[in-house]
Formats: sequence, C-alpha cells, structure tokens
Amino acid sequence: EAAVTQSPRNKVAVTGGKVTLSCNQTNNHNNMYWYRQDTGHGLRLIHYSYGAGSTEKGDIPDGYKASRPSQENFSLILELATPSQTSVYFCASGDPGSNERLFFGHGTKLSVL
Amino acid sequence: GQQVQQSPSSLVLQEGENAELQCNFSSTATQLQWFYQSPGGSLVSLLSNPSGTKHTGRLTSTTVTKERRSSLHISSSQTTDSGTYLCAIDPGANTGKLTFGHGTILRVHP
Repeated sequence: EAAVTQSPRNKVAVTGGKVTLSCNQTNNHNNMYWYRQDTGHGLRLIHYSYGAGSTEKGDIPDGYKASRPSQENFSLILELATPSQTSVYFCASGDPGSNERLFFGHGTKLSVL
Repeated sequence: GQQVQQSPSSLVLQEGENAELQCNFSSTATQLQWFYQSPGGSLVSLLSNPSGTKHTGRLTSTTVTKERRSSLHISSSQTTDSGTYLCAIDPGANTGKLTFGHGTILRVHP
C-alpha cells in the first residue's frame, strides 16, 4: 500500500506568519495534490503537481504556494497566514486520470490565530 | 452549482442491514472514485469505477456514465463501516484532478 506522510500533524500559527506543510510519498507516484477540508465545503483542491519541478493551480490557489523539489516531496506554503486558512489539509498522491486510486495522508490540522 | 451531489446526507442503520449511497454529477466524468473517511479523519479510496459495475468485498458500485450517476451498495453493514463516504469525479479529460461531493455520513448501530 502506498504511503503518504504529512508533517506536522497539528500546527498553530499566528496571522501574518509563514507556514510550510510537508508531504512525502514512497510509492513513486507522478501526481501529488494538496486539498483542504472545511465543513460545508468538503474537500477542495489547492495545488497539484505532475512531477518534480511542476506545480499547477487547483480550484482555490489564492494565498498558497506549492513546491515539488523531488518525486517524493510536495510542500504547501502559506507566506502570510490568515485565520481563513484555518482548516484540515490533506496531501494525496496517485494518478486518478489513469483509473488508479488516490492515496491520502492523515491530514494536518492548521489553526491560524 | 455543486458538481457532485451525494444523497442521503446521513444514514442510520442497524448492523446487518444494507446501505445504498447515491452520487449524481453535473458534468461528464472521466473518472469516479468512492472514498471512506473514518471518524478520525483519515481518507481511503474504496474503489475506482468510471463506468459499469465493480465489486470489492461487501461493496458494489454501479456507475451509469450517460445518466451521470453512481451508487455504492454496502451489504451486511458492520459497526466499523460507520464514517463518511465521499464520491469524487474528474470532470476534465483525465486531468487527474478530483472534485468531491460533501459525503454521506453513515452510522451503523450494533
């Protein structure tokens, strides 16, 4: 089974601060994704990547940057965190476009005060 | 409007009963997956079924692509089936980007 590991599991940040959420996958998937999950909105795609060096905007990219320095690692960066970015963030890897399953990390609970 | 609509929003069963979950989508879906989210929050892909019928264990999914609907049937429910079931589609041409519904919350009582 593919392993997707997120860190940290919980994070408290101050408004205006910089936050980096990290994700590592060990199954050599080309595609990686960052989603956030909020009550009333479900899971929404923030950024995704088709491979090392590639980042693409998802449906709600404003206020977020992404970095894919290698096949295994995909980071989500909040340069100036705001309280509206308080959420649970999920990283995923896989290739659903080829009918393959998507594998998720355990999530990062971020609170911006 | 919402691209993926799931029904019912919640469902309560006695252990051993069957469950039927529905997913309707407003655009052509090149991919469709069903996910399970545990009460603790972790997400697991149950199966990928863009068309036709697929079985895995006690789960059966039937997707009718031209009618833009999919169902997930859970037979002989168990208390450990409790959680949220999410349907997700790729509305583009195999872009790999999934759009999720809001889910059906299932509670199975012993």
